[in-house]
Amino acid sequence: QSALTQPPSASGSPGQSVTISCTGTSSDFGGYNSVSWYQQHPGKAPKLMIYEVNKRPSGVPDRFSGSKSGNTASLTVSGLQAEDEADYYCSSYAGSDNLGVFGGGTKLTVL
Amino acid sequence: EVQLVESGGGLVQPGGSLRLSCAASTFIFSNYWMSWVRQAPGKGLEWVANIKQDGSEKYYVDSVKGRFTISRDNAKNSLYLQMNSLRAEDTAVYYCARGQRNFAPWGQGTLVTVSS
Repeated sequence: QSALTQPPSASGSPGQSVTISCTGTSSDFGGYNSVSWYQQHPGKAPKLMIYEVNKRPSGVPDRFSGSKSGNTASLTVSGLQAEDEADYYCSSYAGSDNLGVFGGGTKLTVL
Repeated sequence: EVQLVESGGGLVQPGGSLRLSCAASTFIFSNYWMSWVRQAPGKGLEWVANIKQDGSEKYYVDSVKGRFTISRDNAKNSLYLQMNSLRAEDTAVYYCARGQRNFAPWGQGTLVTVSS
């Protein structure tokens, strides 16, 4: 499996919304709704922000939302805040060989 | 708070071996799939291997098959990654993470550097 495709960068001003896309093939996503998104600040471990396309773990602000259409998943961050500046990675589990694949990452800059 | 703590990283020569460990606490370790994910310096995340709750199923990314072995000891709440025949391209921070299809939480990571 090749990596999922994400834009290398995205940006927005405080209070604005930004959407990050994650594109794969039908084999990457399979018949599973197992798309997840991770936030990673410099020098820190990744943190799960969205799982199963659009579910938020406890403690993740509702400013973060996920969706999927066809072979493209999206993460939307609304009401941008300075602390949202980080790298974001999508991931998909397709069941093939029971492993999954990550996107290349998107660096989100809050202007 | 659920916690994962990795150890065992370091500098190793090409062709050498290392064994990474991940100690889990404050959750029922034996109830969960566990995974190793790595991140080369300045690069993105890569799924490396995962293991079923009872150790009966193990899966690896193609680039490490035959060289890395994932294992677990549920009595010790510990996950392991035995890495043999290491290559320069294995240089990365290695994270252990709870889960199979999505990962939470993650450990702080341990750096493996393969260099002569």
